[in-house]
Amino acid sequence: GIQVEQSPPDLILQEGANSTLRCNFSDSVNNLQWFHQNPWGQLINLFYIPSGTKQNGRLSATTVATERYSLLYISSSQTTDSGVYFCAAGAGSYQLTFGKGTKLSVIP
Amino acid sequence: NAGVTQTPKFQVLKTGQSMTLQCAQDMNHNSMYWYRQDPGMGLRLIYYSASEGTTDKGEVPNGYNVSRLNKREFSLRLESAAPSQTSVYFCASSVSGMGYGYTFGSGTRLTVV
Repeated sequence: GIQVEQSPPDLILQEGANSTLRCNFSDSVNNLQWFHQNPWGQLINLFYIPSGTKQNGRLSATTVATERYSLLYISSSQTTDSGVYFCAAGAGSYQLTFGKGTKLSVIP
Repeated sequence: NAGVTQTPKFQVLKTGQSMTLQCAQDMNHNSMYWYRQDPGMGLRLIYYSASEGTTDKGEVPNGYNVSRLNKREFSLRLESAAPSQTSVYFCASSVSGMGYGYTFGSGTRLTVV
């Protein structure tokens, strides 16, 4: 099956700083998503992005399918951005494989 | 509010006991999923239902059964709970298998002693 690796595993930012989270996947995919899990455990879908670039406010994501990676950019980070960011990938089926996540802590 | 509703939110079981986790969505989604989340492991798919009337195994199905009761409801049953099934369980739904509109419930924290 598909292997998904995320880096870095942990990230501490000062409020207002920018960051880039990376997701590498082992095979061709046609389903690539980013999720945010807040400190209370709620999972929110951020992007469905099997290829190309999307932006939503201070967040943007880019997937380069041919090179098997995706990047999540967070600009002007806020304390509410804290939590764990998961990348999940799938190939032609209903099964998504999740990475182990990047734990982001934004400090005031 | 529209979304995915899971019950219960917390549960403690003794080894060997059985229970059913309930999940319902009101977004008219076709596909539903059950995941478990363990520390340091990310989320792993237990079972999924591509559409009403169908269910299929995911990555870690052993020890679980599911029922897609109708388009809205998808339940997960533990017939004989084991300590290895201590985890946080998430139900999710999506418009289709491609994941568009993927929405998670708030989770069930299960402890098996």
